[in-house]
Amino acid sequence: GQQLNQSPQSMFIQEGEDVSMNCTSSSIFNTWLWYKQEPGEGPVLLIALYKAGELTSNGRLTAQFGITRKDSFLNISASIPSDVGIYFCAGVSGTYKYIFGTGTRLKVLA
Amino acid sequence: EPEVTQTPSHQVTQMGQEVILRCVPISNHLYFYWYRQILGQKVEFLVSFYNNEISEKSEIFDDQFSVERPDGSNFTLKIRSTKLEDSAMYFCASSHGQDPYSNQPQHFGDGTRLSIL
Repeated sequence: GQQLNQSPQSMFIQEGEDVSMNCTSSSIFNTWLWYKQEPGEGPVLLIALYKAGELTSNGRLTAQFGITRKDSFLNISASIPSDVGIYFCAGVSGTYKYIFGTGTRLKVLA
Repeated sequence: EPEVTQTPSHQVTQMGQEVILRCVPISNHLYFYWYRQILGQKVEFLVSFYNNEISEKSEIFDDQFSVERPDGSNFTLKIRSTKLEDSAMYFCASSHGQDPYSNQPQHFGDGTRLSIL
């Protein structure tokens, strides 16, 4: 089946540092999305990408839809303690369901 | 901002019992979904629902599961004869349109933690 592999699995960074994480697949996706999940809560949409090559920002977050449609990255600039959480990519291909990645657990040290 | 709301937040049930998880999607959304997340793992698609019928389901969504929109606001997931391995977080989501064609992403509730004893 379709799988999305995220890297890194976890990150420990200092407050103020920039963060980069990515999501790759052997399958082509038509839509990429990035969600953040905090303990006890559901995934919260951060950025949605709908066109190959698209680069979109949301505050300190920037995400790109890879030109091959098989990957995407998410960057967080100048991290702050509330950035802590698990970041999931999700992709949509020929059907409507979201395929979620394995997640990147981010911890920010003040 | 409108939210997807789910009840209960935590459900504890004996193995073999039936459970119903409830969701109130965002009011003008037309497409509804259930996902499952086993502790420490990724979110997995279960089923999507539109126009009072299932539009897609995964291999996880077997005869043990059913969904219903009993009225104009609620969307429910029923699990019959629960098993230990059904223990997970269950997330409801809704969207106004369906990606990838509509640029209308899914919005998730905070989930129901289901614990099977």
